[in-house]
Amino acid sequence: AQKITQTQPGMFVQEKEAVTLDCTYDTSDQSYGLFWYKQPSSGEMIFLIYQGSYDEQNATEGRYSLNFQKARKSANLVISASQLGDSAMYFCAMREPRALNDYKLSFGAGTTVTVRA
Amino acid sequence: DVKVTQSSRYLVKRTGEKVFLECVQDMDHENMFWYRQDPGLGLRLIYFSYDVKMKEKGDIPEGYSVSREKKERFSLILESASTNQTSMYLCASSFGQGDQPQHFGDGTRLSIL
Repeated sequence: AQKITQTQPGMFVQEKEAVTLDCTYDTSDQSYGLFWYKQPSSGEMIFLIYQGSYDEQNATEGRYSLNFQKARKSANLVISASQLGDSAMYFCAMREPRALNDYKLSFGAGTTVTVRA
Repeated sequence: DVKVTQSSRYLVKRTGEKVFLECVQDMDHENMFWYRQDPGLGLRLIYFSYDVKMKEKGDIPEGYSVSREKKERFSLILESASTNQTSMYLCASSFGQGDQPQHFGDGTRLSIL
């Protein structure tokens, strides 16, 4: 069963506008972590933001914020004031600590964002 | 800044060859990971290691093996390359705590002909 679902294969956004990327997850654990990564066309994966399941506040990092709704099992990424350099593929990922040394991440299929001037 | 270096950006090999993909990190991270990335499937974990000489299978280990003789280096081995192993391969590393992000290399685009 898919653990991370990103339902938007591709999105267009106008420069300077905000965009929300959807991510829903499936877990029976109470303790887990959610990550968002950005992958530009050059290929490297860039860590953007992290949310722990016990964090009461939504995570924010500059123009990135995570809209964490635990009951709905969603962790949407919001990018404010989009820039041309935000054009990339974005991945949502989850870590479920099933074992002491288990630091595996499960990734969604990704959402491609294209920012228009 | 964390630096994860993969030995090649592009690699072309033939079916049946033994292929080595090398990954080195310079941040003394305990954990290292190998993923493959295919369109529409996201990243899938092949193998990971949480210590020297330790390895754990990920979701798709068939046809692959790994080696971690030193803390900073994690090698992915395709024992007998096949065309269905044509893909982008990404190496990552992280500290031991669960809330620490994984840091990725630039990827190796491998083509098996």
